[in-house]
Amino acid sequence: DAGITQSPRHKVTETGTPVTLRCHQTENHRYMYWYRQDPGHGLRLIHYSYGVKDTDKGEVSDGYSVSRSKTEDFLLTLESATSSQTSVYFCAISDQVGTNEKLFFGSGTQLSVL
Amino acid sequence: DQQVKQNSPSLSVQEGRISILNCDYTNSMFDYFLWYKKYPAEGPTFLISISSIKDKNEDGRFTVFLNKSAKHLSLHIVPSQPGDSAVYFCVGYNQGGKLIFGQGTELSVKP
Repeated sequence: DAGITQSPRHKVTETGTPVTLRCHQTENHRYMYWYRQDPGHGLRLIHYSYGVKDTDKGEVSDGYSVSRSKTEDFLLTLESATSSQTSVYFCAISDQVGTNEKLFFGSGTQLSVL
Repeated sequence: DQQVKQNSPSLSVQEGRISILNCDYTNSMFDYFLWYKKYPAEGPTFLISISSIKDKNEDGRFTVFLNKSAKHLSLHIVPSQPGDSAVYFCVGYNQGGKLIFGQGTELSVKP
């Protein structure tokens, strides 16, 4: 398994509170991604990073921000959590873009916003 | 706009038989298609891919077929095993773009 650790694995929080999810990799891969998985939608890209301090928005970025200050860490922040952000969040990494982009995923974080 | 569609949320197959998972897409710009497999409480893992210039790719028990004129691809698993029970995601990719996932199909292989 690729060395990807997501923390926490489970979190319950209240509407309006800030939440930060962490993704840590030991593979030294350049590219990192945050996805959310919801029934009927598959996985949807929230934000991604193509290097330290280089990030960009995905298709469902509203309400989320990210930071990448080190190659190995990619943080996802919900500034003010809402119930619609209840989901399973997956971090993914890859070492190449442009051909067959295979991603390696972490085990996910189950987030419940009450 | 659902660019990749898996219209069957679930599929049940007997062990030893063939499993066929289907996928339709609308984006003609996809260069590659990939299948990912996901077990409960785990992240998805890459299973097999196919370039848009090919119509078939085989890897052991897994074969993916691509019909570009119909914008349809399918994943065949022969023979199916109980350990194949998982959610399968069909994914489209175009160079410079990002992976676009289908909704997933949950496969159950019964002994």
